[in-house]
Amino acid sequence: AQSVTQPDIHITVSEGASLELRCNYSYGATPYLFWYVQSPGQGLQLLLKYFSGDTLVQGIKGFEAEFKRSQSSFNLRKPSVHWSDAAEYFCAVAYTGNQGGKLIFGQGTELSVKP
Amino acid sequence: GAVVSQHPSWVICKSGTSVKIECRSLDFQATTMFWYRQFPKQSLMLMATSNEGSKATYEQGVEKDKFLINHASLTLSTLTVTSAHPEDSSFYICSARAISNEQFFGPGTRLTVL
Repeated sequence: AQSVTQPDIHITVSEGASLELRCNYSYGATPYLFWYVQSPGQGLQLLLKYFSGDTLVQGIKGFEAEFKRSQSSFNLRKPSVHWSDAAEYFCAVAYTGNQGGKLIFGQGTELSVKP
Repeated sequence: GAVVSQHPSWVICKSGTSVKIECRSLDFQATTMFWYRQFPKQSLMLMATSNEGSKATYEQGVEKDKFLINHASLTLSTLTVTSAHPEDSSFYICSARAISNEQFFGPGTRLTVL
């Protein structure tokens, strides 16, 4: 069965430091992978997505993610974190390999940013 | 960008009453919308897939008689929580799938059942 695991429930980084949020997935076919950010009172916003091709994906707000098939991972990175990046981050895989299909979400990682 | 709204943003009701939550795609048409439930500090769990003009498809374990979904138009899907009880208190989120296949999410509705 498809599943998504985000091992870190909560991460705290200093402003200006680099960030990596981990995501591992279990999926039989080629996955469609997503990273979303959820801020209080706001809907989920898509940061980036991977369907095929270049395994290093660039997203909005300076985020990037790398798909590693051998490790079944899709980790999210940012070289320099800003205080406004504090939010909840969700990794997701599209069900049945349909990018517009049902999404399975990881447990989420809450990011706190220290000044 | 594509915008999805939800109404109301929060609702408090008494146990035993029914509550309707609306999900609207404001600037695009969506033949498919999804309804999720999110408990505090937890992930989003898909409840059902709503298709315009047809019956919703519910995920395993979701009571379709309790969570009534109607997708009457290409821009509106509604979720009705019937005979709500305190355990139904949660954050309900919808998403709408655009023609590009990307899903756009609403801001969510906080339901509290007393």
